[in-house]
Amino acid sequence: NAGVMQNPRHLVRRRGQEARLRCSPMKGHSHVYWYRQLPEEGLKFMVYLQKENIIDESGMPKERFSAEFPKEGPSILRIQQVVRGDSAAYFCASSYSGESYNEQFFGPGTRLTVL
Amino acid sequence: GESVGLHLPTLSVQEGDNSIINCAYSNSASDYFIWYKQESGKGPQFIIDIRSNMDKRQGQRVTVLLNKTVKHLSLQIAATQPGDSAVYFCAEPRRGSQGNLIFGKGTKLSVKP
Repeated sequence: NAGVMQNPRHLVRRRGQEARLRCSPMKGHSHVYWYRQLPEEGLKFMVYLQKENIIDESGMPKERFSAEFPKEGPSILRIQQVVRGDSAAYFCASSYSGESYNEQFFGPGTRLTVL
Repeated sequence: GESVGLHLPTLSVQEGDNSIINCAYSNSASDYFIWYKQESGKGPQFIIDIRSNMDKRQGQRVTVLLNKTVKHLSLQIAATQPGDSAVYFCAEPRRGSQGNLIFGKGTKLSVKP
């Protein structure tokens, strides 16, 4: 009965490199959400995906950031040409449905450090 | 506009005492709130939720109170234990979105033995 899994747990990149963060939702969940958390801050919504569809990407920067949730495999958050300001904890959550009252279960996060 | 904020950034309590963590919101149309607990190095964990048709909801050692008149909610933890040490966030769904949660900044609860 695994929960939401994220990997890697820690990722170090140099400026200009690419970062790929992976998220496997809970079994039976087809809705995935990505959030970013800066130190001493709350989580900020980035993007909401269902299988093969982006439902809401209103919180995601227009450049360098992309997300996908393919039919098979984990959801991927991709950050191209990383900058120091991208250093943060990135959390993935999943839910059974997309209704507002449906509980989102969070993974342990990926802590990205950009040197 | 939509926002969820917290009154105090840190709270220190003695083990065994009750803890009260507060949260204010600005949107009078908000109808659902969730409290999350985040331990160091971990993801947020659901604690309890409440809909706007309720004033109070109780769980195991936790109670959430909702005052719609002043747009305020609180999380009460009874007999606080060292394991309760964490950052606590209130959150609500962003209006017009599906599943897009707005989180407050968080209150760090420290429990002294």
